[in-house]
Amino acid sequence: GENVEQHPSTLSVQEGDSAVIKCTYSDSASNYFPWYKQELGKRPQLIIDIRSNVGEKKDQRIAVTLNKTAKHFSLHITETQPEDSAVYFCAASMSGTASKLTFGTGTRLQVTL
Amino acid sequence: DAGVIQSPRHEVTEMGQEVTLRCKPISGHNSLFWYRQTMMRGLELLIYFNNNVPIDDSGMPEDRFSAKMPNASFSTLKIQPSEPRDSAVYFCASTLGLAGVAGELFFGEGSRLTVL
Repeated sequence: GENVEQHPSTLSVQEGDSAVIKCTYSDSASNYFPWYKQELGKRPQLIIDIRSNVGEKKDQRIAVTLNKTAKHFSLHITETQPEDSAVYFCAASMSGTASKLTFGTGTRLQVTL
Repeated sequence: DAGVIQSPRHEVTEMGQEVTLRCKPISGHNSLFWYRQTMMRGLELLIYFNNNVPIDDSGMPEDRFSAKMPNASFSTLKIQPSEPRDSAVYFCASTLGLAGVAGELFFGEGSRLTVL
């Protein structure tokens, strides 16, 4: 089955700095890569996703990049704000299995003032 | 739509008792997922249904766990008998699966289970 590794497990940045979270996946057939944000005590919520036919996608301060050759994808958050503090999960979905997502282990991002 | 609705939000029970968690997916969604979240193991997929049919239950930890989806608007996850190591937050999620194309998962608020 699919295996997703995520680094780092914790990340502390100062407000206004950028944050980068990296993930690798094992199954070359995976073609959908979402990122979820989970605030303390809340449910995970989708913040951005990318499919294998594109290499990069942006949404305001958030961007994702995908390198299918290396089986690697990353989340970039620019101009971080305190409200960005949360746990971020990457995930990968194998082709033909609808939304059966395999999640990474999560990155706890702390944005300090 | 009210989103994915789970109950109970919190459950405290004693070891050996039966636990039933309930989920109502978003109307019109045809895929439903049960996840378990712990600090040690993160988000683990337990089982998922497509059009009310269980597709993959390989994540169900052992025979003490069972899940049903009798209709498109209701699913249960049952643990019998419960053990302290089952303590976790259990999330239900649903999605509109179109021709096998992956899309956004909508999670419920979760059911926090504590087994003493």
